[in-house]
Amino acid sequence: QKEVEQDPGPLSVPEGAIVSLNCTYSNSAFQYFMWYRQYSRKGPELLMYTYSSGNKEDGRFTAQVDKSSKYISLFIRDSQPSDSATYLCAMIEDDYKLSFGAGTTVTVRA
Amino acid sequence: DAGVIQSPRHEVTEMGQEVTLRCKPISGHDYLFWYRQTMMRGLELLIYFNNNVPIDDSGMPEDRFSAKMPNASFSTLKIQPSEPRDSAVYFCASSIAGDTQYFGPGTRLTVL
Repeated sequence: QKEVEQDPGPLSVPEGAIVSLNCTYSNSAFQYFMWYRQYSRKGPELLMYTYSSGNKEDGRFTAQVDKSSKYISLFIRDSQPSDSATYLCAMIEDDYKLSFGAGTTVTVRA
Repeated sequence: DAGVIQSPRHEVTEMGQEVTLRCKPISGHDYLFWYRQTMMRGLELLIYFNNNVPIDDSGMPEDRFSAKMPNASFSTLKIQPSEPRDSAVYFCASSIAGDTQYFGPGTRLTVL
């Protein structure tokens, strides 16, 4: 079993819909949680970064962390075609070694 | 800032040949990471450096892989000899504190 599980999708939604993405993990030592966005044939770029349970909001993006359930989520409100990408969750202990989920491919239809 | 720079962007080689991938981290960043991305295995950390010193190379798949960081602004990942199963996209990333990592555009390697 992988340390980080993420449904690879693909996920297709109409423009304006809420996109809901999630990951589960098994390593309770993970302390920091991130979401990366990766456009086709590009490198991943950091989208959201959290280090505690609870919600963090940045514009149309909300990241949630529930350490007791070992579950993290990313919500994209008012989704746009430009949000079409692969979203990867990533987690880290205190040793700087990122563990990535498989990535969920999202398509927002205009 | 130009971001993390990787070269070449694409590399096609034949099995058995030596391959060298290059990375220039963001100026001032003291951590450098090499990752490999494939459809089957996703993104995997191969090795990372702190202040030019290799800290953890447990992700390096075989002795055919080696990485160096001779100075703060340059790193190489070498595969010798290359095999078809090494075909992947190789990413370099850098960071200041080790956690917020900034990725380069990647090198797409095809070994025939």
